[in-house]
Amino acid sequence: AQTVTQSQPEMSVQEAETVTLSCTYDTSESDYYLFWYKQPPSRQMILVIRQEAYKQQNATENRFSVNFQKAAKSFSLKISDSQLGDAAMYFCAYGEYGNKLVFGAGTILRVKS
Amino acid sequence: DTGVSQDPRHKITKRGQNVTFRCDPISEHNRLYWYRQTLGQGPEFLTYFQNEAQLEKSRLLSDRFSAERPKGSFSTLEIQRTEQGDSAMYLCASSRGLDQETQYFGPGTRLLVL
Repeated sequence: AQTVTQSQPEMSVQEAETVTLSCTYDTSESDYYLFWYKQPPSRQMILVIRQEAYKQQNATENRFSVNFQKAAKSFSLKISDSQLGDAAMYFCAYGEYGNKLVFGAGTILRVKS
Repeated sequence: DTGVSQDPRHKITKRGQNVTFRCDPISEHNRLYWYRQTLGQGPEFLTYFQNEAQLEKSRLLSDRFSAERPKGSFSTLEIQRTEQGDSAMYLCASSRGLDQETQYFGPGTRLLVL
């Protein structure tokens, strides 16, 4: 069964600085998707960024980028120019075509002003 | 695009009672998923539908849980004879089911069983 591990229960970053959240996963499949979702306190989970495993190029969305290392089964999220609104729980998730997502335990990100 | 909606947003019930939650997916999304999230944890998969067909159920989904998606539109999740361990956030998500595998989540229904 696929598993997702987020080894950092909590991270802190100074406003305007850069932070990297780690994620590793285990699978025997070659085609899959990886996602980072953000869940602010008591609010809805929203998609931050997604990566298709067949693409070698790392995905980027404005201040958010990933470092996808397929052989190492690593998928980290870099947040540049951190803002107070980035404070949330971040979940790494693994998915295959049309199937369920497998989530990590999450990393709480605190942003200091 | 009005997003995924869930009703109710909060539910408090007594142990042994039955509860039912509703999820309305994004229009034209043919896949619908249910997850359960306990405090401080990531969501855990419960079940999912392709149109009206229930394609997979997790071992977490005991006999007390049942889900339906009549006509392939909205879905309901019913928990019979609730237990305190059922207290959690129940999340619904939908996706187009093509090569766009991104799942979009609703706000969730928070269940508290007393």
